[in-house]
Amino acid sequence: AQKVTQAQTEISVVEKEDVTLDCVYETRDTTYYLFWYKQPPSGELVFLIRRNSFDEQNEISGRYSWNFQKSTSSFNFTITASQVVDSAVYFCALSEPSMDSNYQLIWGAGTKLIIKP
Amino acid sequence: DTEVTQTPKHLVMGMTNKKSLKCEQHMGHRAMYWYKQKAKKPPELMFVYSYEKLSINESVPSRFSPECPNSSLLNLHLHALQPEDSALYLCASSQQTRSSTDTQYFGPGTRLTVL
Repeated sequence: AQKVTQAQTEISVVEKEDVTLDCVYETRDTTYYLFWYKQPPSGELVFLIRRNSFDEQNEISGRYSWNFQKSTSSFNFTITASQVVDSAVYFCALSEPSMDSNYQLIWGAGTKLIIKP
Repeated sequence: DTEVTQTPKHLVMGMTNKKSLKCEQHMGHRAMYWYKQKAKKPPELMFVYSYEKLSINESVPSRFSPECPNSSLLNLHLHALQPEDSALYLCASSQQTRSSTDTQYFGPGTRLTVL
């Protein structure tokens, strides 16, 4: 069965620290897509990254980086030199291009990240 | 700036009221979605429109009635809601495909309170 696990319910760090948010997924398919979204207190879900299962290269975007490991079914997200504006709930999500799951994203429970000044 | 807009930002309504939530996207997408999100939970899919036709209705009660007047607009009509319907309602859009692998872009949401 499809499942996304974000075991860290809440993480609190001091500004400028590095922080890693974990995402572990379960899927039957060899073709699938993984996403990360950020939800600040304002409520809007902001798209961060989309990665397909055939692209295992790690990605870096400014202070953000993602580590995709198919061997451990993980797609972890690291923020380097965290800032107060990074405080938000972060969701990891999975989708499979199968007939059964049209339009369905399988969401993790989310990790609340608190960056203290 | 988000290219998916939603109005109103906040809405308080009584259980006998009729109100509507509105969503507009400016990205030329052909799929639009309504989600409901309770506090400290991930979003739950309610409806999907594809090319202005209802594709998915996730067993949502009939007191929620979606409408897609054109490819850019999506409405959610509310009638006789219950206090447990209080939540953040999110609209999203994506390029038209038959799968969920397209990226969904979300609006800022409407915070609904039912008294």
